[in-house]
Amino acid sequence: AQTVTQSQPEMSVQEAETVTLSCTYDTSENNYYLFWYKQPPSRQMILVIRQEAYKQQNATENRFSVNFQKAAKSFSLKISDSQLGDTAMYFCALTQGGSEKLVFGKGTKLTVNP
Amino acid sequence: ETGVTQSPTHLIKTRGQQVTLRCSSQSGHNTVSWYQQALGQGPQFIFQYYREEENGRGNFPPRFSGLQFPNYSSELNVNALELDDSALYLCASSLRTDSYEQYFGPGTRLTVT
Repeated sequence: AQTVTQSQPEMSVQEAETVTLSCTYDTSENNYYLFWYKQPPSRQMILVIRQEAYKQQNATENRFSVNFQKAAKSFSLKISDSQLGDTAMYFCALTQGGSEKLVFGKGTKLTVNP
Repeated sequence: ETGVTQSPTHLIKTRGQQVTLRCSSQSGHNTVSWYQQALGQGPQFIFQYYREEENGRGNFPPRFSGLQFPNYSSELNVNALELDDSALYLCASSLRTDSYEQYFGPGTRLTVT
């Protein structure tokens, strides 16, 4: 069975600062994908960043980057230069190769303060 | 390019009733997945449809059923509603490539009283 754990229910950060959200996961598969999704108060889930397990290089999308530690089964999200619009629930998710079922963590509520 | 849409936005039903939720997938996508998101929780996978066939199911009872149509739009049906069925129901579409990226709709908020 696959599991995803987000141990920080809530976090806050000052505008323009950097924040890191933690995620650990468990899977017996070698071929899998990891994602961070953002769900603003308007509730539409938006894909932030994706990481293929077979790639050693950490994914980066503008101000968003990940620290993928495969042996430790850790997948943290770093948000640089935080903006007010980054305020949202952030979900870490996992899917194994051959299946498009996403397994989500419980989420981290991030608040960016002015 | 049209995104994923869902209807209705909100719905209030009484325990024991039946409900149908609808989803239109993103243009060009042939796979639709449904998720249930209880308040304060992450989404839970209900089932997935690929080219009109069920292609995987999560830990949900048979009273949760679905359909996918030739245009790849989809319905989620829930019979004999229970209070615990109150949740946000999310639909996600994807094109079966090796990217496994799913694009979510805005959801339907179902309240069972």
